[in-house]
Amino acid sequence: GAVVSQHPSRVICKSGTSVKIECRSLDFQATTMFWYRQFPKKSLMLMATSNEGSKATYEQGVEKDKFLINHASLTLSTLTVTSAHPEDSSFYICSAVGTSGQETQYFGPGTRLLVL
Amino acid sequence: AQKITQTQPGMFVQEKEAVTLDCTYDTSDPSYGLFWYKQPSSGEMIFLIYQGSYDQQNATEGRYSLNFQKARKSANLVISASQLGDSAMYFCAMRGALNTGKLIFGQGTTLQVKP
Repeated sequence: GAVVSQHPSRVICKSGTSVKIECRSLDFQATTMFWYRQFPKKSLMLMATSNEGSKATYEQGVEKDKFLINHASLTLSTLTVTSAHPEDSSFYICSAVGTSGQETQYFGPGTRLLVL
Repeated sequence: AQKITQTQPGMFVQEKEAVTLDCTYDTSDPSYGLFWYKQPSSGEMIFLIYQGSYDQQNATEGRYSLNFQKARKSANLVISASQLGDSAMYFCAMRGALNTGKLIFGQGTTLQVKP
């Protein structure tokens, strides 16, 4: 299957700071990437859909000013958690889809964020 | 609205036996896709198998097979010859034809394989 990387794998930060998470498709071009959040033992919650060259589409209830998404190229999308607070601590995972949009989503390994 | 339901929060299976993980779905889209992913404790989501709504045959990938019953709107995952490494959380997901490739996930089933 296709390879998606995510960096960093773990991050601990102080409350009030911003954290950037990168998602890269390594061996294919991804016009669309998705960002999910997952709490322990729970399902994945879609936060936003990131399309290359355009603004991200956020799901209802997700603050776009809090979770900034930039899809700068066909292989890179970034999620920035701005002014992080302890309640933002979670597992964030991205996925990428090939150019047709109807292909299998391949997931990155995820990022564990802990805000102190 | 689309919905995916996994009614088994946890399952146990003896090593080398087969196990079925249940998944039912609801959609008004005439064309849709169904996926199963495995999530071990490390957190990565591993794609296992895909079934298209118009596929005539049930999908199979090695020890994984999908028991697709369209009239009953079910897409159960069957794992044959369970191995200790199969212990993980399993998610069923659906993609509709009318959206932009978004997946709707079920609640997940935690599978534990006993030696």
